[in-house]
Amino acid sequence: KQEVTQIPAALSVPEGENLVLNCSFTDSAIYNLQWFRQDPGKGLTSLLLIQSSQREQTSGRLNASLDKSSGRSTLYIAASQPGDSATYLCAVPLPGGNQFYFGTGTSLTVIP
Amino acid sequence: EAGVAQSPRYKIIEKRQSVAFWCNPISGHATLYWYQQILGQGPKLLIQFQNNGVVDDSQLPKDRFSAERLKGVDSTLKIQPAKLEDSAVYLCASSLGGEGNQPQHFGDGTRLSIL
Repeated sequence: KQEVTQIPAALSVPEGENLVLNCSFTDSAIYNLQWFRQDPGKGLTSLLLIQSSQREQTSGRLNASLDKSSGRSTLYIAASQPGDSATYLCAVPLPGGNQFYFGTGTSLTVIP
Repeated sequence: EAGVAQSPRYKIIEKRQSVAFWCNPISGHATLYWYQQILGQGPKLLIQFQNNGVVDDSQLPKDRFSAERLKGVDSTLKIQPAKLEDSAVYLCASSLGGEGNQPQHFGDGTRLSIL
C-alpha cells in the first residue's frame, strides 16, 4: 500500500521568503505526482502535475521536482506572499490509476 | 469552463439519520471520484466511476454508504444511517480519464456534521 508523507505539517514564514515543501512516498511505481492547494472551506486546486518521466514542472513562482528513485518530491515557492497561505497536499496514483493517495498536507502561513 | 459543482455546502444531522450529497462534474469528464476528508487529514477515496460504471469502491463502507452515477453525468452519495465518525468534508472530483495521468478537478465539498 502506498504511503504518502508530508513534512513539515505546518510552516510559518515572513513574506518574501523562498520556501520548500516536502512530499515522500513509499512505492516508486507511480504514473505521476500532483500538488494541490486547499484554502479553508474549499476544495482542492491543482497546482502542478509531474509525469513520472519528468524531473520538474514550473508554473509562475512554483516549481515542483520529482525523484522517483528516492520517493521524493519538493514544491518550491519563490518570493512567498500572504495569498500563498493555504494547505498544500501532494497526491500519487498507483499503476492502473484507480487509487489516488494523498499526503496529510502542509499548512503554510505567510506573515505580511 | 464551469467547475465541479457540489451541493449542499453544509449539512448538520443527528446520528442514525440519512443524508445525500450531489455532484455535477465538469462537462465531458468521464471519471468521477468521491473523497472523504476528515479534519487534519488528506482526502481518502471512497468510490471512482468511469462513466456510469464503478471502477473502485474498495474503501466505501457499503453497509451504510451508497453512490450512483446515473447516465454517466451527475452523481449522488448517500449515507444511511450516519455515525458520528462520518463527520467530514465530502469532496467530489472529476477528470477526463481515470488512468491516473489526468489531473483531477475538485468541487468545494460538502461539510457534514453529525450530532
